[in-house]
Amino acid sequence: EVYLVESGGGLVRPGESLRLSCAASGFKFSGYSMSWVRQAPGKGLQWVASISTSSSYIYYADSVKGRFTVSRYNAKSSLYLQMDGLRPDDTATYYCVRAEDNYGAEYFQHWGQGTLVTVSS
Amino acid sequence: DIQMTQSPSSLSASVGDRVTITCRASQDISNYLAWYQQKPGRVPKLLIYGASTLQSGVPSRFSGSESGTDFTLTISSLQPEDVATYYCQKYNSAPWTFGQGTKVEIK
Repeated sequence: EVYLVESGGGLVRPGESLRLSCAASGFKFSGYSMSWVRQAPGKGLQWVASISTSSSYIYYADSVKGRFTVSRYNAKSSLYLQMDGLRPDDTATYYCVRAEDNYGAEYFQHWGQGTLVTVSS
Repeated sequence: DIQMTQSPSSLSASVGDRVTITCRASQDISNYLAWYQQKPGRVPKLLIYGASTLQSGVPSRFSGSESGTDFTLTISSLQPEDVATYYCQKYNSAPWTFGQGTKVEIK
């Protein structure tokens, strides 16, 4: 069974940094693209960032480009999200997601339980 | 970027009713459209991918269809356990945009 366990969330002040981690198990981590999706309290889902299997392809939402950095360490089956310059509108639950290939495109099949990031002074 | 417009934003229906949710893409995305269900306080769950392929384990009362850039999620007979917010998502390329969500309640 696929397990995705996020950690690293918490309360930070505007402008500060936070690093989220996602520990994956139950599958060959190096064989799957991974993503981060967030959900502000009471709001909808927003894709944040995606990274390909060997980190060759990395994509960011415009709202986080230049502030967030996604990375992975396949040897440790881990996904990361370095968040710098945090703003109050970054407050959300952040989900680690495993993608599934569908004819060259990827949808989000497995989701972690999420970790809450709160940015407030 | 391609926009995904989902409607309605909410609906209330009776148990046993047929429920339809629509998602419109602003440009062609072929059939790279997924539907997710998020029950209150829970993690999103994949229902359908490829516009109409049911994810394993999802009840057959759920179905998806497409007509050009219009996509539809249908619940053939609404059940109490279907109370949730439903999201469409394009996945043909970055950005992986979600629709705004449709909250489904029981009347």
